[in-house]
Amino acid sequence: DVKVTQSSRYLVKRTGEKVFLECVQDMDHENMFWYRQDPGLGLRLIYFSYDVKMKEKGDIPEGYSVSREKKERFSLILESASTNQTSMYLCASSLSGRAVYFGPGTRLTVT
Amino acid sequence: DQQVKQNSPSLSVQEGRISILNCDYTNSMFDYFLWYKKYPAEGPTFLISISSIKDKNEDGRFTVFLNKSAKHLSLHIVPSQPGDSAVYFCAASEDSNYQLIWGAGTKLIIKP
Repeated sequence: DVKVTQSSRYLVKRTGEKVFLECVQDMDHENMFWYRQDPGLGLRLIYFSYDVKMKEKGDIPEGYSVSREKKERFSLILESASTNQTSMYLCASSLSGRAVYFGPGTRLTVT
Repeated sequence: DQQVKQNSPSLSVQEGRISILNCDYTNSMFDYFLWYKKYPAEGPTFLISISSIKDKNEDGRFTVFLNKSAKHLSLHIVPSQPGDSAVYFCAASEDSNYQLIWGAGTKLIIKP
């Protein structure tokens, strides 16, 4: 079974803090993704990576950065958290564009 | 510009009846379509998929129908069960692309 794990299920941070969300997959997948999910807006792609040290902007990259130093690990960084970044963050991985496998999600609240 | 649309934000169905969730797309280059199911506070899980060379794919209680001329697909759940209550996302991809393009989701509520 594909396993995608995320470092935290729930996180509460203050405005202006730097936030790190970690994601690890164990299936040697090339592609990894960070999404955020908000009610009525579906899944919006923040960043994705198709190889180590490679990254591409998704639909809503502003206010975020990413790091992929190892194939199995993809980190999402909020440089200075703001209240409009309160959301559910979902990491995913895939071998191709055919199916992605998601982690359990991190519910981030920024106060 | 939304390439994948799920026009019904929510749907309520009686337990035991058929649930039909709909999805429309605009990009004729899409050649693979997927449905995901998501419970609150969990990541989406893959449910069923269909290639554009087919018009139907069935897996147990779940059937996906694809109408390429109308650029429309639907997910049928028969019979609907309480555990089917979740948000359902439709997604599409084209062969040359790493990404899935997602619909906004439909919340399915199964009434006892």
